[in-house]
Amino acid sequence: DGGITQSPKYLFRKEGQNVTLSCEQNLNHDAMYWYRQDPGQGLRLIYYSQIVNDFQKGDIAEGYSVSREKKESFPLTVTSAQKNPTAFYLCASSMMSTATYEQYFGPGTRLTVT
Amino acid sequence: GQSLEQPSEVTAVEGAIVQINCTYQTSGFYGLSWYQQHDGGAPTFLSYNALDGLEETGRFSSFLSRSDSYGYLLLQELQMKDSASYFCAVLISSGSARQLTFGSGTQLTVLP
Repeated sequence: DGGITQSPKYLFRKEGQNVTLSCEQNLNHDAMYWYRQDPGQGLRLIYYSQIVNDFQKGDIAEGYSVSREKKESFPLTVTSAQKNPTAFYLCASSMMSTATYEQYFGPGTRLTVT
Repeated sequence: GQSLEQPSEVTAVEGAIVQINCTYQTSGFYGLSWYQQHDGGAPTFLSYNALDGLEETGRFSSFLSRSDSYGYLLLQELQMKDSASYFCAVLISSGSARQLTFGSGTQLTVLP
């Protein structure tokens, strides 16, 4: 089955530690995205990538980093510079040429930093 | 920057019709999308409007007026499983890039 996988589902870290969230897709989509969602809020774009080895900052990139070495994979690192890292992180992908620009989302990773 | 406004909560009974409005202010507007998200789950795509008018998909319809910077999602014959959060999202064009900016969401509660 095609889809997007994110792991782990729940992640706990101590303050001051970097942590990397995994996102893999087998939909053959060119574009991939990372969003952050806080309770009762919408999704805010962190980074996106339209092609391998290239990515752009979204609205809230500070304290985060990404890489896109393979089309299928777009890991997100939450660094110790991110002031409020506890949130629900969602990865998505989409085709570049599409009539609806539909984004397909993974199940998310809930990160708690204490 | 971009801003979107949608009601935070809506309540309706099973079988009823509900309309969730969305107004937006943005530059580089390309289209308006709607996503559904159940508690703790992944958002799923419902509809996309690039042109003015109504798009119908089963029990759900979506409307866009570009001149009014306004759209809505219409849900008919409500079912309990429709209880979820609904997000409008504007698709922004920046060169060849397309990115979504989401509203804060409308929590729909369907009562028996």
